[in-house]
Amino acid sequence: AQSVSQHNHHVILSEAASLELGCNYSYGGTVNLFWYVQYPGQHLQLLLKYFSGDPLVKGIKGFEAEFIKSKFSFNLRKPSVQWSDTAEYFCAVKTGGFKTIFGAGTRLFVKA
Amino acid sequence: KAGVTQTPRYLIKTRGQQVTLSCSPISGHRSVSWYQQTPGQGLQFLFEYFSETQRNKGNFPGRFSGRQFSNSRSEMNVSTLELGDSALYLCASLPGLGLGETQYFGPGTRLLVL
Repeated sequence: AQSVSQHNHHVILSEAASLELGCNYSYGGTVNLFWYVQYPGQHLQLLLKYFSGDPLVKGIKGFEAEFIKSKFSFNLRKPSVQWSDTAEYFCAVKTGGFKTIFGAGTRLFVKA
Repeated sequence: KAGVTQTPRYLIKTRGQQVTLSCSPISGHRSVSWYQQTPGQGLQFLFEYFSETQRNKGNFPGRFSGRQFSNSRSEMNVSTLELGDSALYLCASLPGLGLGETQYFGPGTRLLVL
């Protein structure tokens, strides 16, 4: 069965630290890859997406992610986090069956 | 364009009751997906509708059902509620059904089962 694995359930960082959140998926065919963010009390919002082309994609608020097909990974990065990045981050994979599978989420807490 | 709307936003029910949740997608979007979000479980896929037809279904019991109307609005129903059904139920809309399209989420309906 297709699955999405996020490596960390909770991450605590100080402001200005670098961030990398891991995401791996299990599916051998064509995929669309997404990172969504859910700020406290807000809707799920799209952070960035990969459909095809350059495997390094840039999203909003300085986030980027790299698709490594050989590793079935789509890790999220940000060079310097801010207190306002405190949120829950979800990796998601859409497969050829058009169903979108989400990871369990990573709660990021940034200390001011 | 208005975003995805869900009603009601909050709901309290007791075990054994049934509940119906509603979702209005973004204007022009024809696909609606439903998810259950619980702490530690992330988003669990319930079902997906396109043009009034269920196209995909997740691994939930038959107590969970849904439908889509000709105006693309969707409802989901949970019968014989259990305590474990307490969750945030999210609806997402897409223009169509294929790869290369992005889901846009509503605010969710928070269901508490007592």
